[in-house]
Amino acid sequence: GAGVSQSPRYKVAKRGQDVALRCDPISGHVSLFWYQQALGQGPEFLTYFQNEAQLDKSGLPSDRFFAERPEGSVSTLKIQRTQQEDSAVYLCASSLVFGGFSYNEQFFGPGTRLTVL
Amino acid sequence: GENVEQHPSTLSVQEGDSAVIKCTYSDSASNYFPWYKQELGKRPQLIIDIRSNVGEKKDQRIAVTLNKTAKHFSLHITETQPEDSAVYFCAATNTGNQFYFGTGTSLTVIP
Repeated sequence: GAGVSQSPRYKVAKRGQDVALRCDPISGHVSLFWYQQALGQGPEFLTYFQNEAQLDKSGLPSDRFFAERPEGSVSTLKIQRTQQEDSAVYLCASSLVFGGFSYNEQFFGPGTRLTVL
Repeated sequence: GENVEQHPSTLSVQEGDSAVIKCTYSDSASNYFPWYKQELGKRPQLIIDIRSNVGEKKDQRIAVTLNKTAKHFSLHITETQPEDSAVYFCAATNTGNQFYFGTGTSLTVIP
């Protein structure tokens, strides 16, 4: 029953490799968010979904980043041809409802620490 | 877009003293301001939030104040305890979806 889970917790990739990061939101949560957190910085928004629809991807830093949530639950963030500047913690969060008039708490997962060598 | 600035970046207080962390935001349309606590190696967790129709909110030892005119909001922790030591992040949003986070304040409570 737990909270948001993410896997893997740690990922080391060689520059140029593709990686896939998984997020399992809290069951029933409609909204899902991805953030990138560089060392010593606050989380930076990447993208979010309402159910399976990706409603905002304005934070994705380049076209090497791609996110999907095909069935409206589990989400995958894929990074192609990883670069050293992609090294960061990638946080996933989910909330019960869509934003708008009801700002619901975003529950965060433990993150995936990606290191690109 | 929104720009959130947070100060100080580090803060040390003696156990029992108060701690205050301040954030400013740039988008006057922002209307929801959560505060998250992140312990080392752990996930951020919401500790308190405030909406723009309220000037102050308190929950036991934690309080948040909001000044919409000046576009700043602050976190106040009273009677600090060692377990309050963590990194605290403020955030702002006007949509409830895209949160803009500050850069964090590392709080150390000295026993």
